[in-house]
Amino acid sequence: EPEVTQTPSHQVTQMGQEVILRCVPISNHLYFYWYRQILGQKVEFLVSFYNNEISEKSEIFDDQFSVERPDGSNFTLKIRSTKLEDSAMYFCASSDQGTMNTEAFFGQGTRLTVV
Amino acid sequence: GNSVTQMEGPVTLSEEAFLTINCTYTATGYPSLFWYVQYPGEGLQLLLKATKADDKGSNKGFEATYRKETTSFHLEKGSVQVSDSAVYFCALKLTGANNLFFGTGTRLTVIP
Repeated sequence: EPEVTQTPSHQVTQMGQEVILRCVPISNHLYFYWYRQILGQKVEFLVSFYNNEISEKSEIFDDQFSVERPDGSNFTLKIRSTKLEDSAMYFCASSDQGTMNTEAFFGQGTRLTVV
Repeated sequence: GNSVTQMEGPVTLSEEAFLTINCTYTATGYPSLFWYVQYPGEGLQLLLKATKADDKGSNKGFEATYRKETTSFHLEKGSVQVSDSAVYFCALKLTGANNLFFGTGTRLTVIP
């Protein structure tokens, strides 16, 4: 069964460092997403990406964040200068359409710890 | 605004017990409602969904009914199994939007 894969499963980084979280969406999907969950809080939407551009983003997704689809398979989230409060579980997701009735498939998450 | 409030966990039940996980929502439009499940070491998987009022979503013995009058979408299962141990997330999606609004998740542990 096709699945979304994320690497690494856990990343520890020093405050101020750049970090790139990687995701391989399901191959025929067109819509890609990043969400995050700070420990004990809600899963929050960060950004959606379609046709090589951001289609929607939340207020969390500020200039420190960027997304890229560098090739035909990967979808990355970059945090330029990490802060302690960026520590969270980051989930990547993809769907074949962006419509209401389409299921989004999620990866297992990358736990980012900023020290 | 748009938000989902879930019953706080963790929830621990014995095998074959009845499960209810409460979920209520607020939405600026007419949302679709979802339950996702995350088993240990895996991603979030869609468990069930309902797209309009009074719809009942069901899967793997789990059910949830879209109640517009009470803005709720409570998850129920008549007899839980050890394999149901996971974190359960309630979520909503507005018409025309791509993103999901999630609750905090409820961890369920079923003991034999």
